[in-house]
Amino acid sequence: DTEVTQTPKHLVMGMTNKKSLKCEQHMGHRAMYWYKQKAKKPPELMFVYSYEKLSINESVPSRFSPECPNSSLLNLHLHALQPEDSALYLCASSQDASGTNNEQFFGPGTRLTVL
Amino acid sequence: AQTVTQSQPEMSVQEAETVTLSCTYDTSESDYYLFWYKQPPSRQMILVIRQEAYKQQNATENRFSVNFQKAAKSFSLKISDSQLGDAAMYFCAYREFGAGSYQLTFGKGTKLSVIP
Repeated sequence: DTEVTQTPKHLVMGMTNKKSLKCEQHMGHRAMYWYKQKAKKPPELMFVYSYEKLSINESVPSRFSPECPNSSLLNLHLHALQPEDSALYLCASSQDASGTNNEQFFGPGTRLTVL
Repeated sequence: AQTVTQSQPEMSVQEAETVTLSCTYDTSESDYYLFWYKQPPSRQMILVIRQEAYKQQNATENRFSVNFQKAAKSFSLKISDSQLGDAAMYFCAYREFGAGSYQLTFGKGTKLSVIP
């Protein structure tokens, strides 16, 4: 299995809702990433988990809360989002977070719309 | 800080022809990685090709090849025998080499259209 899966594909939520994005990989990768991508822009790194520990938080607002329950799963909990948070959220994984085995494999993304 | 520049926001190519996408970068490091990612309308980012800076030989993957010019800090992607499925946004990306180096620095992307 050489893929990263993400659910849901699309999500529409109100500013008072609480929702979660899910990401899963079964490649034995020990690093997982969340990116945010606005239309016609490159992805922007949000969080990095290395060996199930949060190693990077790129100054992301607290209304985004990541969680790594185990080495295969990565969640992004959403609460009190703003319309400007509407974007494509991409999950990625790599064998580790550094060294030579660092190719990042991306999931198909979740298209989030905040009303 | 490292920067990656893709100077061609959009390009087009006739089916079966060859096209070259440009990428330049700025770094003070001597060892690093360079990547080309493809993002079709289906949204998934797909790794096309990767180059290690310490390797002089240009990477190739089937119809995709790079022209890596380390001194000029240039990393262009050549697509031969273009196919309709090659239509996508292409991102050039840079990553440092070594422990703790996980962040990809992306260029702004080049949108490639393939004309039947």
